[in-house]
Amino acid sequence: LAKTTQPISMDSYEGQEVNITCSHNNIATNDYITWYQQFPSQGPRFIIQGYKTKVTNEVASLFIPADRKSSTLSLPRVSLSDTAVYYCLVGLTGTASKLTFGTGTRLQVTL
Amino acid sequence: GAVVSQHPSRVICKSGTSVKIECRSLDFQATTMFWYRQFPKQSLMLMATSNEGSKATYEQGVEKDKFLINHASLTLSTLTVTSAHPEDSSFYICSAHSYGLRYNEQFFGPGTRLTVL
Repeated sequence: LAKTTQPISMDSYEGQEVNITCSHNNIATNDYITWYQQFPSQGPRFIIQGYKTKVTNEVASLFIPADRKSSTLSLPRVSLSDTAVYYCLVGLTGTASKLTFGTGTRLQVTL
Repeated sequence: GAVVSQHPSRVICKSGTSVKIECRSLDFQATTMFWYRQFPKQSLMLMATSNEGSKATYEQGVEKDKFLINHASLTLSTLTVTSAHPEDSSFYICSAHSYGLRYNEQFFGPGTRLTVL
């Protein structure tokens, strides 16, 4: 399983765009990149998933460069409710493969 | 869709007792369920992988006789913490996987907070 590295914490003001970068140097050819969000005392929630280039959904964008050794989760105009821990995971999709959670990035949004 | 529930959400027990936690996939059939443990301010740690009708596969360092996992149906998996001790106090989270769902992702339950006195 590819190991991921993320910043431990980030701070942002409400209304700003937040970009969280994840490094995954030994990502395999068949691996997808998935981001989860976790609020305190809750289970993680799926945010977005991608394989290459750019993926966008209603809550976030995911940018993946050509070498796929890193990825950036972009949260547009964050609000206080986006304060959470964000996990970047790398692994096979379409299989029941186990997920390995890294340290995650603790995002604190303030007024 | 793709909702996973856990019961109970919180449990407090005395040291030495056993506690059962249920994980249910409410609107889909989960071919595989996973159990995680999370200590305060730490990341999720996978404990075991459970496939319906077969024995669970435990991660290294997880005692299978202490953390009994049963996956009797495609919608229910249970984790029993036997002879619980204070060091077992943690946040236990299950997730469920099913082929064919959007993104083929794992769907997580809300977690169960176990406190052992």
